[in-house]
Amino acid sequence: KQEVTQIPAALSVPEGENLVLNCSFTDSAIYNLQWFRQDPGKGLTSLLLIQSSQREQTSGRLNASLDKSSGRSTLYIAASQPGDSATYLCAVELNYGQNFVFGPGTRLSVLP
Amino acid sequence: NAGVTQTPKFQVLKTGQSMTLQCAQDMNHNSMYWYRQDPGMGLRLIYYSASEGTTDKGEVPNGYNVSRLNKREFSLRLESAAPSQTSVYFCASSDDRYDQPQHFGDGTRLSIL
Repeated sequence: KQEVTQIPAALSVPEGENLVLNCSFTDSAIYNLQWFRQDPGKGLTSLLLIQSSQREQTSGRLNASLDKSSGRSTLYIAASQPGDSATYLCAVELNYGQNFVFGPGTRLSVLP
Repeated sequence: NAGVTQTPKFQVLKTGQSMTLQCAQDMNHNSMYWYRQDPGMGLRLIYYSASEGTTDKGEVPNGYNVSRLNKREFSLRLESAAPSQTSVYFCASSDDRYDQPQHFGDGTRLSIL
């Protein structure tokens, strides 16, 4: 059974720091991996999607990498801002459009 | 620019009551999903629908039923609510193209006493 874990569970950093969030999965046979952001009381917003054949994706200050063989993905946030404070979740898609497994999330606080 | 709309946003039920959670999307997506989110856990898939008229079980389907009423709407029904079903429920939809992300609603916070 696919399991997804995220480390750390919570992180607090001063504004301007670069930071890395980690996601691990137990079965490397994935279709894609997505990183989401969740603000309190809200749904999830997709940040980056990495297909199984790709190594990384970038959007603005965000960069996500994927190493399928080791079952790991990292989300790199450059020059963090207070507006980045949220919970970040990763999810792997096992088969096309059918089965998504989510990690528990990393709660990020960026202090002004 | 509604995206995925869920109703209601909050609900309190007594054990044994029934209720239907509503979800509608305006992006012409074929695939729709229902998840539950519990503290300290990731989202868990309850049911999904790959197209109008089809539904399939996810990881935690027991105690729930779904209806894909048309392409826009996907409802989740609790026939006899139990305290273990207290959770935040999210509906999502996605395009058929494999590299398109899921779009989520803002959730329904359900408490069962």
